[in-house]
Amino acid sequence: QVQLQESGPGLVKPSETLSLTCTVSGHSISVYYWSWIRQPPGKGLEWIGYIYQTGSTNYNPSLRSRLSISIDTSKNQFSLRLNSVTAADTAVYYCARGSLRHDFWGQGTLVSVSS
Amino acid sequence: DIQMTQSPSSLSASVGDRVTITCRASQSISTFLNWYQQKPGKAPTLLIHGATTLQSEVPSRFSGSGSGTHFSLTISFLQPEDFVTYYCQQSYTTPLTFGGGTTVEIK
Repeated sequence: QVQLQESGPGLVKPSETLSLTCTVSGHSISVYYWSWIRQPPGKGLEWIGYIYQTGSTNYNPSLRSRLSISIDTSKNQFSLRLNSVTAADTAVYYCARGSLRHDFWGQGTLVSVSS
Repeated sequence: DIQMTQSPSSLSASVGDRVTITCRASQSISTFLNWYQQKPGKAPTLLIHGATTLQSEVPSRFSGSGSGTHFSLTISFLQPEDFVTYYCQQSYTTPLTFGGGTTVEIK
């Protein structure tokens, strides 16, 4: 069974960088695409972007200037970095399998942006 | 970006009822439409992809229909665990976009 687990700081200061890692178990990360999706508290879902094992990425244009997604196949992990965060970036961040549809998700991790 | 509009934003129903949630796209997306279910405090789970194809292990009381710009999710016999929130999502083009969600509440 595929399992995904997000990890990273739960609190980030404004203007700093949000960094999260997703560890995949039960499946090689060298197959499929892998995505990040977020959900502000009490609100809907926003697609962030996805990555393939080759390092090829596709980002949401609304975040592209601040966003970087990377992959480490040796550790079966992929990561998210979002620069210059503001309170608007406060959300539950999910990692998921797939590019255009997502059939396995992590449990999500709440990242709050606050001083 | 393709805008996805769900209606209603919430509805009240009883166990055993049949309910339908609609999702409209701001432009034609063929059948590149997915439905997710989200329970409180949990990650979404994929219910239907390609507008009509039931994801593995999803109960058959869930069904999807539609193409182009107009789609629907029907739950034919509501069970207690179905009173949660549902989202549509277009997979026609990036950026992928989601509807605002529909919460099914117990009447």
